[in-house]
Amino acid sequence: DAKTTQPPSMDCAEGRAANLPCNHSTISGNEYVYWYRQIHSQGPQYIIHGLKNNETNEMASLIITEDRKSSTLILPHATLRDTAVYYCIVRVWGGGTGNQFYFGTGTSLTVIP
Amino acid sequence: GAGVSQSPSNKVTEKGKDVELRCDPISGHTALYWYRQSLGQGLEFLIYFQGNSAPDKSGLPSDRFSAERTGGSVSTLTIQRTQQEDSAVYLCASSLTRVGKNTEAFFGQGTRLTVV
Repeated sequence: DAKTTQPPSMDCAEGRAANLPCNHSTISGNEYVYWYRQIHSQGPQYIIHGLKNNETNEMASLIITEDRKSSTLILPHATLRDTAVYYCIVRVWGGGTGNQFYFGTGTSLTVIP
Repeated sequence: GAGVSQSPSNKVTEKGKDVELRCDPISGHTALYWYRQSLGQGLEFLIYFQGNSAPDKSGLPSDRFSAERTGGSVSTLTIQRTQQEDSAVYLCASSLTRVGKNTEAFFGQGTRLTVV
C-alpha cells in the first residue's frame, strides 16, 4: 500500500518552477524515493530517484529533507507538456520480495499558459 | 525491443469471456510488474515477478486473475469470466534489480480492456 501522501492537485505558470511536495514520514532506512509522472493516456514515466542526497538530472531536481520524511520534486521551468499526474513512491532498492512500486493517487499538475 | 511492449493495445470482450494480455519486457530485465488503472484512478498493483522467485500475487483482486512469466521473459495476464468492473487499462513494467544498477521501472503503454 502507498506510503506517501501528496496534494491532489497543483497549478503552475508556464516558465516558472513547479515544486511538488511529498510526505513519507514512515520511510525506512533502505527505502528510496522515486518520482514518476503519467501524461494522459500514456504509461508512467520515470523522472528521478534518491536516497538521502539531493539529486538532479535533465528532467528535474529532487530535494530530500535531512530526516527523509518528506521530499520535493522541482521542475525548474515548467512547460505545457509537463501537465501530468506526478507520483511519489518509496521503494526498497534491489531485488527480493516486497519490491513493488506502490502508486498513491499522485498530484495532478496543470501548467497554465 | 527498445521498450516494454504490450498487446493488444485495446481489447473489447463480452462479460463472462476469458482474456489474455501479453507483456514483452525490456531484454535483460529480471523484474516484471502488472498494474491496472481504472478510469480516473491511480495505479493498482497486481502481481510482481522477480527472476526465478515465486511471484508476489498479493495484489490480484480475485482468483479469476492469474499471470505467468515463461522463461523469465514474456508474461501473460489472464482474466477469467470477465466482469464489467474489470474494465481498466492494464499496465506492465519491467526493471533491473541488481544492487548498484538503476532499478527504475519502465512501463509499457498498456492494454485498454473494456468488458461489455
